[in-house]
Amino acid sequence: EVQLVASGGGLVQPGGSLRLSCAASGFSLNPYAVTWVRQAPGKGLEWVSDVGTDGVHTYYADSVKGRFTVSRDKSKSTGYLQVSSLRAEDTAIYYCATHRPGNNWFASWGQGTLVTVSS
Amino acid sequence: ETVLTQSPATLSVSPGERATLSCRASQSISSNLAWYQQKPGQAPRLLIYGASTRATDIPARFSGSGSGTEFTLTISSLQSDDFAVYYCQQYNIWPQITFGGGTKVDIK
Repeated sequence: EVQLVASGGGLVQPGGSLRLSCAASGFSLNPYAVTWVRQAPGKGLEWVSDVGTDGVHTYYADSVKGRFTVSRDKSKSTGYLQVSSLRAEDTAIYYCATHRPGNNWFASWGQGTLVTVSS
Repeated sequence: ETVLTQSPATLSVSPGERATLSCRASQSISSNLAWYQQKPGQAPRLLIYGASTRATDIPARFSGSGSGTEFTLTISSLQSDDFAVYYCQQYNIWPQITFGGGTKVDIK
């Protein structure tokens, strides 16, 4: 089955860190850019970050710039989002999604992983 | 930043009726707009991109229209599976991606 599998979420204290993963199953992630979108409880969607197919071009929302780091490992067909210096307002389900470079809509989505920031 | 305003916030519709959802952009985004459907506990699903092109396997009862600042998603005859929250997303300038606040379509 072709799917994206997101993992790595959990409960973390303010100021803490996690590494979220987005693994491709049944297909290669390599032709696609990987984007991260989050959704706070009961709220709408917020674009967070993106990594291009080359793993070099990275992009961030202003709300996470300097705290989050996006990357990918082509050999593992997996994308990553390192979330650091976490705040209560970062509490959300984090979804990964893919898109072809230049086609900046998101056709395939993972099931999401919940990050809860609380003391 | 381009702000997307969706209306109404909630739309109550009977099965078989037509639903019309609106998305307004704070500045022109040409046709660089997508629509997504999200059901409780699920990830969003792409319905429409390029303002009017249906994504793979999306039924023909879903249609998108508009350009510039005014966009519409129409569901021609609501099925029970269509009750969900719908979001628009603009991608006019990369990476300045934004989503609308969503429209919940519920059963009348």
